[in-house]
Amino acid sequence: SQTIHQWPATLVQPVGSPLSLECTVEGTSNPNLYWYRQAAGRGLQLLFYSVGIGQISSEVPQNLSASRPQDRQFILSSKKLLLSDSGFYLCAWSISHIGETQYFGPGTRLLVL
Amino acid sequence: AQSVSQHNHHVILSEAASLELGCNYSYGGTVNLFWYVQYPGQHLQLLLKYFSGDPLVKGIKGFEAEFIKSKFSFNLRKPSVQWSDTAEYFCAVSFMEYGNKLVFGAGTILRVKS
Repeated sequence: SQTIHQWPATLVQPVGSPLSLECTVEGTSNPNLYWYRQAAGRGLQLLFYSVGIGQISSEVPQNLSASRPQDRQFILSSKKLLLSDSGFYLCAWSISHIGETQYFGPGTRLLVL
Repeated sequence: AQSVSQHNHHVILSEAASLELGCNYSYGGTVNLFWYVQYPGQHLQLLLKYFSGDPLVKGIKGFEAEFIKSKFSFNLRKPSVQWSDTAEYFCAVSFMEYGNKLVFGAGTILRVKS
């Protein structure tokens, strides 16, 4: 069966520091991968999605970037964190076609001080 | 822009009460529809989905949802809630002409009093 992992679970970082959040999927090949930010009372906002290695689409302009160095690995990064980057970040995967059911990881809670 | 609206942000019910959570979306084309649930301390997980066929969809734990195309709605229902249904519920829609990416509603926090 498929599983999705995210780490770290919680992260506290100072403003201006770099960021790297990792997401890996097991038990499937060539998944679509997604990064979302969840804000209280505002649902989930899609940040990035990827349909293959090295293929990244950005949904909103922001201080963050994403990379997919391997088929089942998706990384969310920043060179210099802002206070406004604080939030709950979720990774998800789906099979081939966008629009199929997405399966979510446990999330990373990021607090920027 | 495509959008998904959930009518209530907080709902409080007593056990055995009936539940209906509203979800409306902004677009009249081809859509796939989902309800996700996030129990306290757990992953976001799929409750049910509609792609085509019978517009009344049954999901896990006694939940069901009805797709009414003319009203752009996909309301979630359960005839008798339990304390364990306390969670946050998200409606999500993928719009074919928006690249089939998921758009989420703001979520509804349901608290069931025992």
